[in-house]
Amino acid sequence: NAGVTQTPKFRILKIGQSMTLQCTQDMNHNYMYWYRQDPGMGLKLIYYSVGAGITDKGEVPNGYNVSRSTTEDFPLRLELAAPSQTSVYFCASSSYNEQFFGPGTRLTVL
Amino acid sequence: GESVGLHLPTLSVQEGDNSIINCAYSNSASDYFIWYKQESGKGPQFIIDIRSNMDKRQGQRVTVLLNKTVKHLSLQIAATQPGDSAVYFCAENRGSQGGSEKLVFGKGTKLTVNP
Repeated sequence: NAGVTQTPKFRILKIGQSMTLQCTQDMNHNYMYWYRQDPGMGLKLIYYSVGAGITDKGEVPNGYNVSRSTTEDFPLRLELAAPSQTSVYFCASSSYNEQFFGPGTRLTVL
Repeated sequence: GESVGLHLPTLSVQEGDNSIINCAYSNSASDYFIWYKQESGKGPQFIIDIRSNMDKRQGQRVTVLLNKTVKHLSLQIAATQPGDSAVYFCAENRGSQGGSEKLVFGKGTKLTVNP
């Protein structure tokens, strides 16, 4: 199993641009999550999903959107990139308790 | 406001020593806690978890202690090895489903193991 994969690994955006961060898991997990991690800080939950077609807001959802059309995929959308969204983004999945994390996407907004 | 935090941001130990990493939480309703290890440039990795109906849980070389009276969580690593060098995060679940659906992470403690 590849586990949780994320693309791209790195991205630089200009203010106002949009992009989608991709996340795929092959463990047939119902739960999926998006976090952001700012330098020297812990992770903050952006959105999560308990199954296909179901999403819910986490701690810091503003400026982001998600969709969950399949069990495997959970893309994160940034519509109007802002410098405050410069961060490392982690996707994770779980069956119930233990979350498995992807390698992260490092995003810089200039 | 409520938060999950850590007493010490950095910890340096000698190889072979035992390490203790502490975490304070403020939400008395939280019933599930997890410790994660994050190596540089990687995503967090699950180490061990504990539910609020337990005081102690042991894994391989790791032990988590939960003191609900003072809302304190600790991670003990026995015979610390250089490969244990990483940032360690505690996290509490504030969701209502009893799993890890709404984790709140602390800021982390950087553990450095000296040979």
